[in-house]
Amino acid sequence: RKEVEQDPGPFNVPEGATVAFNCTYSNSASQSFFWYRQDCRKEPKLLMSVYSSGNEDGRFTAQLNRASQYISLLIRDSKLSDSATYLCVVIANTGGFKTIFGAGTRLFVKA
Amino acid sequence: DAMVIQNPRYQVTQFGKPVTLSCSQTLNHNVMYWYQQKSSQAPKLLFHYYDKDFNNEADTPDNFQSRRPNTSFCFLDIRSPGLGDAAMYLCATSGTGGNKNIQYFGAGTRLSVL
Repeated sequence: RKEVEQDPGPFNVPEGATVAFNCTYSNSASQSFFWYRQDCRKEPKLLMSVYSSGNEDGRFTAQLNRASQYISLLIRDSKLSDSATYLCVVIANTGGFKTIFGAGTRLFVKA
Repeated sequence: DAMVIQNPRYQVTQFGKPVTLSCSQTLNHNVMYWYQQKSSQAPKLLFHYYDKDFNNEADTPDNFQSRRPNTSFCFLDIRSPGLGDAAMYLCATSGTGGNKNIQYFGAGTRLSVL
């Protein structure tokens, strides 16, 4: 089992749609969680941190479920510019902090 | 303004010919990371420096080495590149304080091996 798993997609949605991604992690000692966005042939960029209480930034909402060991990202009112790969990142304390990336979920938003 | 700068953006080398990729940062972050990313795959951590302390991932081949001469610069040396080493190499940094686990990436160096 991979340490961090994501549905690779692709998700193909029309503009204005709501889309949700999930990410599961295996290490219960995981402490920090993030969503990064990566455009084709570009570097990953932080989209948002994920807090235990959940957090929202405009059209984006992230949630953490520690009991079930998954995090989610909800995108409302999708824009064409949201088309990208969304990477789930987990930081676990395994005697030292270890950063683990998921393989990413590809999103295509169509007009 | 770019805060994590990688040079070159594209690098072509020959099979077995040593190559060095560079990364510099203006963030004064104490942690610097090197990742390898192949098409449609997750970035794979090769190693990282916490200040001058080098931390190698267990599955990083010996062919990959790194140097960090000062806070601002970090180098990735590939001693004998093979065809399988063709990939995007990403440098990232992270600091201390409340956002210590947030990593900031450079634009990457795309390595081709002929």
